Amino acid sequence: LAKTTQPISMDSYEGQEVNITCSHNNIATNDYITWYQQFPSQGPRFIIQGYKTKVTNEVASLFIPADRKSSTLSLPRVSLSDTAVYYCLVGDRQAAGNKLTFGGGTRVLVKP
Amino acid sequence: NAGVTQTPKFQVLKTGQSMTLQCAQDMNHNSMYWYRQDPGMGLRLIYYSASEGTTDKGEVPNGYNVSRLNKREFSLRLESAAPSQTSVYFCASSEDPSNTGELFFGEGSRLTVL
Repeated sequence: LAKTTQPISMDSYEGQEVNITCSHNNIATNDYITWYQQFPSQGPRFIIQGYKTKVTNEVASLFIPADRKSSTLSLPRVSLSDTAVYYCLVGDRQAAGNKLTFGGGTRVLVKP
Repeated sequence: NAGVTQTPKFQVLKTGQSMTLQCAQDMNHNSMYWYRQDPGMGLRLIYYSASEGTTDKGEVPNGYNVSRLNKREFSLRLESAAPSQTSVYFCASSEDPSNTGELFFGEGSRLTVL
């Protein structure tokens, strides 16, 4: 499984855009990149997934360069409720069992 | 549709006691997982089950056993609890293959071992 590296923490202010970059130098051909969000005392929840280029949904955008060795989660115009830990995962979503492991995550604090 | 349900939500044990954490999902998912999360840390995979009748070790399986009772249920047992097993335990499920392989998590079971 590809190992991921993310910043430990980031601070931002309401209304700003937050960009979190994840490094995954050993990503395999069949691996997808998935981001999860976790609030205190809750289980993580899926935010977005991508394979290459750019993916956008109602919550976030995911930018993946051509070499796929990194990815950037972009949260537009954050609010206080976006304060959470964000995890980047890399794995083959089609693999039986899909043994997914989480790294340490990035703790995002949104200030007023 | 409850999703993933874990019981109990809170438990306090003494060192050496045993207990079983229960997990059930109603989404007809094939794969189920047990993670632990220590304070301020990320999630670590304990065991997972790719399908009914199969289980495999994750990153930190020592001190735990699991049972995939049927497609819906996946239990985690601590035979002789130790203070190092104080943690929040999350059960998750996913459908493989699927559009995203998205993991659906329960609300967690907070375990304290004295």
